[in-house]
Amino acid sequence: DIVMTQSPESLTVSLGERATINCKSSQSVFYSSTNKNFLAWYQQKPGQPPKVLIYWATTRESGVPDRFSGSGSGTDFTLTISSLQAEDVALYYCQQYYTVPLTFGGGTKVEIK
Amino acid sequence: QLQLQESGSGLVKPSQTLSLTCAVSNGSISSGGSSWNWIRQPPGKGLEWLGYIYESGTTYDNPSLQSRVTMSVDRSKNQFSLKLSSVTAADTAVYYCARAFENLEAARYFDVWGQGILVTVSS
Repeated sequence: DIVMTQSPESLTVSLGERATINCKSSQSVFYSSTNKNFLAWYQQKPGQPPKVLIYWATTRESGVPDRFSGSGSGTDFTLTISSLQAEDVALYYCQQYYTVPLTFGGGTKVEIK
Repeated sequence: QLQLQESGSGLVKPSQTLSLTCAVSNGSISSGGSSWNWIRQPPGKGLEWLGYIYESGTTYDNPSLQSRVTMSVDRSKNQFSLKLSSVTAADTAVYYCARAFENLEAARYFDVWGQGILVTVSS
């Protein structure tokens, strides 16, 4: 199985400041024949299901604010919230879909300072 | 907008079988290009993918569940189902159904989720 390791486990950021979440996979999730990284990011608020923010490591889902961006390739990925808003308080998960079984990172909790 | 809704028993006794159904609305389970997935989240913990089923009936379940999973699809009712046998307290979780619109790219990320159903395993 591909193990997804997120860091940090929790993050406290002031409103308007940048939040950065890291995700490392135990093996590459880059598929050279399609030139794509099989990596997604989700946001989960209390009592709600996760919501996809980013797929193919860098493609923002329709309707997701542009303060959310994804970067990285191979085994190392980052989700950045460029200017944290109050509504961004949530848990964030990465997920690889390069191979089955599909696996998620352990999650990062983002809070306001 | 495609919607998913889980239903089933919220309380299951140890050693028994957990049974859940996911109803698909505002879209067809037979429209093609999608896999239909089950994911769970123990209280206060992270996400675990359980498996998928295609409308053809082809399935894949996570080996971590040691062959306790059975999935099925009912095209006439536009729904798919999960059975998890020999449950223990460790199976207590919120269970989600979710769609992955794979198209031709094996894009197995989840763009539509149900609201989730809490299943508690307890005598």
